[in-house]
Amino acid sequence: AQTVTQSQPEMSVQEAETVTLSCTYDTSESDYYLFWYKQPPSRQMILVIRQEAYKQQNATENRFSVNFQKAAKSFSLKISDSQLGDAAMYFCAYRPGGDADGLTFGKGTHLIIQP
Amino acid sequence: EAQVTQNPRYLITVTGKKLTVTCSQNMNHEYMSWYRQDPGLGLRQIYYSMNVEVTDKGDVPEGYKVSRKEKRNFPLILESPSPNQTSLYFCASRGHPAGSQYFGPGTRLTVL
Repeated sequence: AQTVTQSQPEMSVQEAETVTLSCTYDTSESDYYLFWYKQPPSRQMILVIRQEAYKQQNATENRFSVNFQKAAKSFSLKISDSQLGDAAMYFCAYRPGGDADGLTFGKGTHLIIQP
Repeated sequence: EAQVTQNPRYLITVTGKKLTVTCSQNMNHEYMSWYRQDPGLGLRQIYYSMNVEVTDKGDVPEGYKVSRKEKRNFPLILESPSPNQTSLYFCASRGHPAGSQYFGPGTRLTVL
């Protein structure tokens, strides 16, 4: 069974600084997808960024980028120029390729932005 | 606007009283699913559907039913709710095998 581990229950960063959230996963599959979701106090689950395992290039979405290390099974999220609106729970998630639908989530990292 | 909607957003009910939480998406997505989120346990999949009339169990299906009679709708049915089903429920959809899941706003259910 796949597992996703987020080892940082909470992180704090100064506004405008850069922060990196860690995620490791365990799988025997070669085809899979990785995601970061943001859950603000509204509880909405918002897709931040995704990475396909077959792509070597790290995904980037504006201030958000990932460091995907396939051999190490590591998938960290970097947030540049942190803003107060980035404060939220961040969840790393894994999904195998093909028709499999279920996302396996990590326990989450609570990100605090200090003004 | 492309979205996944859920109703109701908040519900307080009593043990044994049947309820349905509706989910609808306007993106013509084939895949739909239900998750529950609990403190310390994270998000877990309840049921999913790959197309109309095709559903399958997720990780925690006990006590729940689903149906997919139309592509856009995927209701979650609790025929005899119990207090251990108190949770935050999310519906999600995606358009194709390589697609990303998009989540609805969540339904906070309390079973007394």
